[in-house]
Amino acid sequence: EPEVTQTPSHQVTQMGQEVILRCVPISNHLYFYWYRQILGQKVEFLVSFYNNEISEKSEIFDDQFSVERPDGSNFTLKIRSTKLEDSAMYFCASSVRGRKNTEAFFGQGTRLTVV
Amino acid sequence: DQQVKQNSPSLSVQEGRISILNCDYTNSMFDYFLWYKKYPAEGPTFLISISSIKDKNEDGRFTVFLNKSAKHLSLHIVPSQPGDSAVYFCAASSNTGNQFYFGTGTSLTVIP
Repeated sequence: EPEVTQTPSHQVTQMGQEVILRCVPISNHLYFYWYRQILGQKVEFLVSFYNNEISEKSEIFDDQFSVERPDGSNFTLKIRSTKLEDSAMYFCASSVRGRKNTEAFFGQGTRLTVV
Repeated sequence: DQQVKQNSPSLSVQEGRISILNCDYTNSMFDYFLWYKKYPAEGPTFLISISSIKDKNEDGRFTVFLNKSAKHLSLHIVPSQPGDSAVYFCAASSNTGNQFYFGTGTSLTVIP
């Protein structure tokens, strides 16, 4: 069964460093998302991406964040200068269509720890 | 700004009985709702969805009920099995965008 894969599963980084989280969405999906879940809190939307551009982003997704689909298969989330409060599980998701009448398939997540 | 709420952080049910997980929302623009299941160290897995034009959707042991006037939905699992033990997230979206708004989750434990 096709699945969304994320690497690495766990990333530890020093505050102020840049990190890149990688995702390979399901191959025939057109919409891509990043969500995050701070420990003990709800899953929060960061950004959606369609047709090689950001289609929607939340307040969390500030100038420190960027997304890219560099080669037609990978979908990356970059955090330019990490802060302690960026520590969370980051989930990539993809869907065939936008949110209506379809569900997003999530990857297993990358646990980011900023020290 | 908690637009989707799951007020029960945990629920324990005996195997074979019904599990009822509840979710409330505040945004009247939400018109599509989903339930996701999450095991530890894994990403959320889609379970079942419902559009606002329906009030019930059934898939095997799982049924989702939607009460639009009360802005409330529930997930029924019958009969509950130990493998159903997981965190269940309710999510909602509106036609103004592609994002899903998640609740905080309910941890279900099914006791053998």
